[in-house]
Amino acid sequence: GENVEQHPSTLSVQEGDSAVIKCTYSDSASNYFPWYKQELGKGPQLIIDIRSNVGEKKDQRIAVTLNKTAKHFSLHITETQPEDSAVYFCAAKATGGYQKVTFGIGTKLQVIP
Amino acid sequence: KAGVTQTPRYLIKTRGQQVTLSCSPISGHRSVSWYQQTPGQGLQFLFEYFSETQRNKGNFPGRFSGRQFSNSRSEMNVSTLELGDSALYLCASSLAGTETGELFFGEGSRLTVL
Repeated sequence: GENVEQHPSTLSVQEGDSAVIKCTYSDSASNYFPWYKQELGKGPQLIIDIRSNVGEKKDQRIAVTLNKTAKHFSLHITETQPEDSAVYFCAAKATGGYQKVTFGIGTKLQVIP
Repeated sequence: KAGVTQTPRYLIKTRGQQVTLSCSPISGHRSVSWYQQTPGQGLQFLFEYFSETQRNKGNFPGRFSGRQFSNSRSEMNVSTLELGDSALYLCASSLAGTETGELFFGEGSRLTVL
């Protein structure tokens, strides 16, 4: 089955700095890579995703990159703000059929004002 | 549109007891997945139901079971509770038929086993 590794497990950055979270996956059949943000006391929420036919995707201050050959994908947050403090999960999934989503272990991001 | 609703939000049980957790998906969503969240383990997939049928199952012992009703509401049951079952149990619903299947999570049921 799919295995998703995520690092770092914790990350502290100064407000305004950038944050990068990296993930690797094992199953070459995976072709959809979502990122979820979990705020304290809430369930995870999708913030951005990327498909295997795209190398990079941006949405305001967040961006994801995908290297399908190396089976790496990353989340980049620029100009971090205190409200970015949360746990971030990367995930991988093969589209089509009854494919489950496999999550990474999560990264706890703390943005220091 | 109401989100995913999980009940109860918090519960305390003792070893050996059993527990049933409930999940009401977003209206129109027919797929419901369950995850166990623990510190250091991330989100571990338990099972997924679609139209009352389990179509995916994670690597959990048989003490963990679930079901889905005709109105798409789902329940999961854990029997003979162990201390290690203490966790946040998250339910997620998705709109079946989409290629990517975005998951919409509830706020979870936090189970403490004493």
